[in-house]
Amino acid sequence: DTGVSQDPRHKITKRGQNVTFRCDPISEHNRLYWYRQTLGQGPEFLTYFQNEAQLEKSRLLSDRFSAERPKGSFSTLEIQRTEQGDSAMYLCASSFTDRGGGYTFGSGTRLTVV
Amino acid sequence: SQQGEEDPQALSIQEGENATMNCSYKTSINNLQWYRQNSGRGLVHLILIRSNEREKHSGRLRVTLDTSKKSSSLLITASRAADTASYFCATGQTGANNLFFGTGTRLTVIP
Repeated sequence: DTGVSQDPRHKITKRGQNVTFRCDPISEHNRLYWYRQTLGQGPEFLTYFQNEAQLEKSRLLSDRFSAERPKGSFSTLEIQRTEQGDSAMYLCASSFTDRGGGYTFGSGTRLTVV
Repeated sequence: SQQGEEDPQALSIQEGENATMNCSYKTSINNLQWYRQNSGRGLVHLILIRSNEREKHSGRLRVTLDTSKKSSSLLITASRAADTASYFCATGQTGANNLFFGTGTRLTVIP
């Protein structure tokens, strides 16, 4: 297990199109998080899963955003009807609840909406 | 919204010098963590300090935490060009299950 993997690394899409990103966490980690980061800012929390349950969603996660983690393994983040304001780096991270340690982040998916 | 504020926003030093970054936050926390991010990449966890700890060391890193002032500092000693990156503090808030990140300090180490 080499860490958290995100796919694709880059995505350019036209406004109004739907996009889906995938995250494969570290296999023994039971928590998975999605963050969004815009240029010059820190990551902003979007949502998190413990196993397959989505336990918290940020107000940033509008109705156009949906995230899933079927079977508590990989996760997908879908954005419907993309807007230019959705352009950002989407970061996935995982952690193990009981270890009280830090998060392991993937390299992110950079989304550009044109 | 972001929880922490790092200071300074940008810092430029010569290789071999020490770099100090500060973080202030607003609410009660369980722990505070520091992360490094190279340009265009994901974040790398550096160190975690719990709310009942005051100082922690890891290699060339030294972190302090003052919960009465709601502030933390990260000291990188004997800096190297490879330390050039953005550094973020993140707080694990009491009652929350996710981390809240600050706005970051961009560190440039000049060879």
